[in-house]
Amino acid sequence: QKEVEQNSGPLSVPEGAIASLNCTYSDRGSQSFFWYRQYSGKSPELIMFIYSNGDKEDGRFTAQLNKASQYVSLLIRDSQPSDSATYLCAVNIGFQKLVFGTGTRLLVSP
Amino acid sequence: DGGITQSPKYLFRKEGQNVTLSCEQNLNHDAMYWYRQDPGQGLRLIYYSQIVNDFQKGDIAEGYSVSREKKESFPLTVTSAQKNPTAFYLCASRPGTGDYEQYFGPGTRLTVT
Repeated sequence: QKEVEQNSGPLSVPEGAIASLNCTYSDRGSQSFFWYRQYSGKSPELIMFIYSNGDKEDGRFTAQLNKASQYVSLLIRDSQPSDSATYLCAVNIGFQKLVFGTGTRLLVSP
Repeated sequence: DGGITQSPKYLFRKEGQNVTLSCEQNLNHDAMYWYRQDPGQGLRLIYYSQIVNDFQKGDIAEGYSVSREKKESFPLTVTSAQKNPTAFYLCASRPGTGDYEQYFGPGTRLTVT
């Protein structure tokens, strides 16, 4: 079992819809969870992090964490074509390291 | 203008040659990291350093070497022993104690033929 798993997609949503991206992780000791956005040919950009169970909102983005189920998700409301990118989930392993999922490609159509 | 810089953006080398990728940060971050990214495989950790003059191997360190002589610099050398060096190389840094999030530089795309 991979340490961090994501569906590779593509996840296709129409403009204005809610995009829901999911991630599961294997280490029950993980405490910190991150979502990065990566446009094609570019480096990852941190968009959200969450440490506690529940929801965390930042503008159109909401991160959701359920440690009991080892599940973290990212919701993007009012999706825009500019949101089309690959979204990487990352989970801390110990203090020093993050483990990244392989990413979910999101396509938002006008 | 704070940030992480990597140079060059594109690099081409012949097989058998060593090549050094530059990574510099002026964020005063303690920890620095090197990853490689291949299509469909996500980011894989090569080396990381928590403090000056100390570094640890990541998951795929074979064929690579690093140094951390200054807090702001963490160069990566891809040696001729690396069997598949063509990849997108990403440098990242983390603020320090109590902070887990990492911030990435723009990356260097290395092509070896």
